[in-house]
Amino acid sequence: NAGVTQTPKFRVLKTGQSMTLLCAQDMNHEYMYWYRQDPGMGLRLIHYSVGEGTTAKGEVPDGYNVSRLKKQNFLLGLESAAPSQTSVYFCASSYIETQYFGPGTRLLVL
Amino acid sequence: SQQGEEDPQALSIQEGENATMNCSYKTSINNLQWYRQNSGRGLVHLILIRSNEREKHSGRLRVTLDTSKKSSSLLITASRAADTASYFCATDGGSGGGNKLTFGTGTQLKVEL
Repeated sequence: NAGVTQTPKFRVLKTGQSMTLLCAQDMNHEYMYWYRQDPGMGLRLIHYSVGEGTTAKGEVPDGYNVSRLKKQNFLLGLESAAPSQTSVYFCASSYIETQYFGPGTRLLVL
Repeated sequence: SQQGEEDPQALSIQEGENATMNCSYKTSINNLQWYRQNSGRGLVHLILIRSNEREKHSGRLRVTLDTSKKSSSLLITASRAADTASYFCATDGGSGGGNKLTFGTGTQLKVEL
């Protein structure tokens, strides 16, 4: 089992560009999450999903959109990237309480 | 806003010593979890303690929870160089479904040989 995988590992964007981060899990988990991690701030929840076809806002959703068309995939989109979105993005999935994290995507917006 | 605040922000100890990290939170919880993050990696779940539990052990880890003080502590006994990592507490407040977690700001632990 690969667990939770994230694509890409690293990306550089210019302000205003768009991109999609892909998260995939092979554990048949219902719940999936997107977080961002900034220095000294811990992890903050962007959006989450409690099942295929459902999404909900987390603590810091502005500037991001998500889709959960398939149970195993959770996509995070940035329509118009801003320097404030420079961060490390983590995806996680869970069955009951424990969350399983991917390796992260490092995004730099210039 | 962050639910958890961890103390200390950074901790440096010698191999073989015990490491204690503290976490305080603000609202009622269903459970509190501790995660470890090695540099440049994703988080890994360590241990979960429920709101009706006071203490829990797992290997060299001991977690305590005091809901009256809204605080928890993580003790790592007989630390090893491989324990060098950041440690985060996370609380599940149970609201809104989805087992959402709110993470603290973390403690950076360095275990020196």
